[in-house]
Amino acid sequence: EPEVTQTPSHQVTQMGQEVILRCVPISNHLYFYWYRQILGQKVEFLVSFYNNEISEKSEIFDDQFSVERPDGSNFTLKIRSTKLEDSAMYFCASRKTGSNTEAFFGQGTRLTVV
Amino acid sequence: GQQLNQSPQSMFIQEGEDVSMNCTSSSIFNTWLWYKQDPGEGPVLLIALYKAGELTSNGRLTAQFGITRKDSFLNISASIPSDVGIYFCAGQNYGGSQGNLIFGKGTKLSVKP
Repeated sequence: EPEVTQTPSHQVTQMGQEVILRCVPISNHLYFYWYRQILGQKVEFLVSFYNNEISEKSEIFDDQFSVERPDGSNFTLKIRSTKLEDSAMYFCASRKTGSNTEAFFGQGTRLTVV
Repeated sequence: GQQLNQSPQSMFIQEGEDVSMNCTSSSIFNTWLWYKQDPGEGPVLLIALYKAGELTSNGRLTAQFGITRKDSFLNISASIPSDVGIYFCAGQNYGGSQGNLIFGKGTKLSVKP
């Protein structure tokens, strides 16, 4: 069964460093998302991406964040200068076009900023 | 922005018991979804509901999309130890919001054998 894959599974980085989280969405899906989950809290929407551009972003997704689809298969989230409070699980999700379609999530990347 | 109220926050039950959890919203959604999350894993879709009033089952799981489109419940019958995890409701709208999900805070389920 096709699935969303994310790498790495765990990333430790020093405060102020740039990180890139990678995702390979399901191949025939056209909507891509990033979500964040701080330990013990709910899953929060960061950004949605469609047709090679951001279609919506939350207030969490500030200028430190960017997304890119560098080729036909990868979808990346970049945090330019990490802060301690960026430590969280980051989930990528993808969805087919049309209504009545569900988003499928990857296993997540645990980002730890020290 | 839209907020979901999910309850209860946690449940500790005996194996074999039935479980019920629900979500309410101050605004309407086109779709309600229920996900389960195991520790260190991503949310896994359990049930998707697309029509107000819809009642859908998936094995021992039953979920309903409230008639007002502002609420949903999930029932688990005859719970087993592998039901342990965190259950999240999520509301979804299409069109302008591009289908992004608004999640509830989760219900943590513990099952005692």
